[in-house]
Amino acid sequence: KQEVTQIPAALSVPEGENLVLNCSFTDSAIYNLQWFRQDPGKGLTSLLLIQSSQREQTSGRLNASLDKSSGRSTLYIAASQPGDSATYLCAVTVMYNQGGKLIFGQGTELSVKP
Amino acid sequence: GAGVSQSPSNKVTEKGKDVELRCDPISGHTALYWYRQSLGQGLEFLIYFQGNSAPDKSGLPSDRFSAERTGGSVSTLTIQRTQQEDSAVYLCASSLGPLVDEQFFGPGTRLTVL
Repeated sequence: KQEVTQIPAALSVPEGENLVLNCSFTDSAIYNLQWFRQDPGKGLTSLLLIQSSQREQTSGRLNASLDKSSGRSTLYIAASQPGDSATYLCAVTVMYNQGGKLIFGQGTELSVKP
Repeated sequence: GAGVSQSPSNKVTEKGKDVELRCDPISGHTALYWYRQSLGQGLEFLIYFQGNSAPDKSGLPSDRFSAERTGGSVSTLTIQRTQQEDSAVYLCASSLGPLVDEQFFGPGTRLTVL
């Protein structure tokens, strides 16, 4: 059974710091991995999608890596800003009948202090 | 273009009543998903549609839950005889196709059962 774990559960950093959020999964049979951002009371915003054959994806100040064989992904945020404060979720897509479904971690709650 | 939309955004109901939640996916997306986010359980998968059909309904929490999708577009999630443990945020997502495509989420419906 696929399980996704995110460490740390919460993180508080001063503005301007570079930071790394960690995600691990127990079964390497995934099709892709997505990182999401969730603001309080809101839905999920997709940040990055890494296909299983890829090693990393970049978007602006965000860089996500994927090591499928070891079951790990990291989300690197450069030069953090107070507007980055949110909960970050990682999720893997696993086969489900003729399609796929996302299995989510519990999230990392990030607070960036001015 | 327009993203995934859900209605209502908030629903308060009394225990025992039926509720219907609606999801409008991104135009052209063939795959549609329902997830539930509750305090104790995190984000959990409920059901997936490819076109109008849902190959497997075993992810639904109980037989009080049902879902349908018509015309390959709008989907409704119906909860009969609501219970307090049904209180959660119900999120809908869609993707171009199943399995490898990015899932885009709607803002969710917050359901409160009194």
